[in-house]
Amino acid sequence: GAVVSQHPSWVICKSGTSVKIECRSLDFQATTMFWYRQFPKQSLMLMATSNEGSKATYEQGVEKDKFLINHASLTLSTLTVTSAHPEDSSFYICSAREMIRRPYNEQFFGPGTRLTVL
Amino acid sequence: KQEVTQIPAALSVPEGENLVLNCSFTDSAIYNLQWFRQDPGKGLTSLLLIQSSQREQTSGRLNASLDKSSGRSTLYIAASQPGDSATYLCAVNQTGANNLFFGTGTRLTVIP
Repeated sequence: GAVVSQHPSWVICKSGTSVKIECRSLDFQATTMFWYRQFPKQSLMLMATSNEGSKATYEQGVEKDKFLINHASLTLSTLTVTSAHPEDSSFYICSAREMIRRPYNEQFFGPGTRLTVL
Repeated sequence: KQEVTQIPAALSVPEGENLVLNCSFTDSAIYNLQWFRQDPGKGLTSLLLIQSSQREQTSGRLNASLDKSSGRSTLYIAASQPGDSATYLCAVNQTGANNLFFGTGTRLTVIP
């Protein structure tokens, strides 16, 4: 149990376009989802935290108008990179937390999405 | 702000050796600590989670210890195999915070 999926697994887009990445919890309800970004050979950096039905909380330095996060249901959160530029190219990973069966703040991670902006 | 450091950054060992990966954190007010494995270009696989009240957790050939007061955790891998080659990340869930603070990772190569 506790499986998190992401779609797409990789995407290549032109500069200036918008890209949507989906994060789904497949077998549990995620009260909170997290979006991380990972640059090559670096560790994961938290971008934002989203709770179902409320606005996302963004980390310092992350532009909320550029990285739109929607957590409309307990199993789905989306990250939209608007007007993408080459510097947005990165590996984006989501995680989900369930507080019912596992009240230990354990997060379950998706497989990641590789974004390349040309 | 919580800072998590992992030493060494990279490690190569011959197959069959036992090894220890180290993780240190600056703020001991943690809720739990997790060890993850990440293969190149892939997501994270959770290996072990240790609650702040626990001293260690074991899963198969893996054993993780936690010394919260000194801000340290170790991941012990017994009888290493080439399939263990990956980057190992530790992450701290700080008390009062939702997110995980990740370490810099240790890239492990097990040589056949």
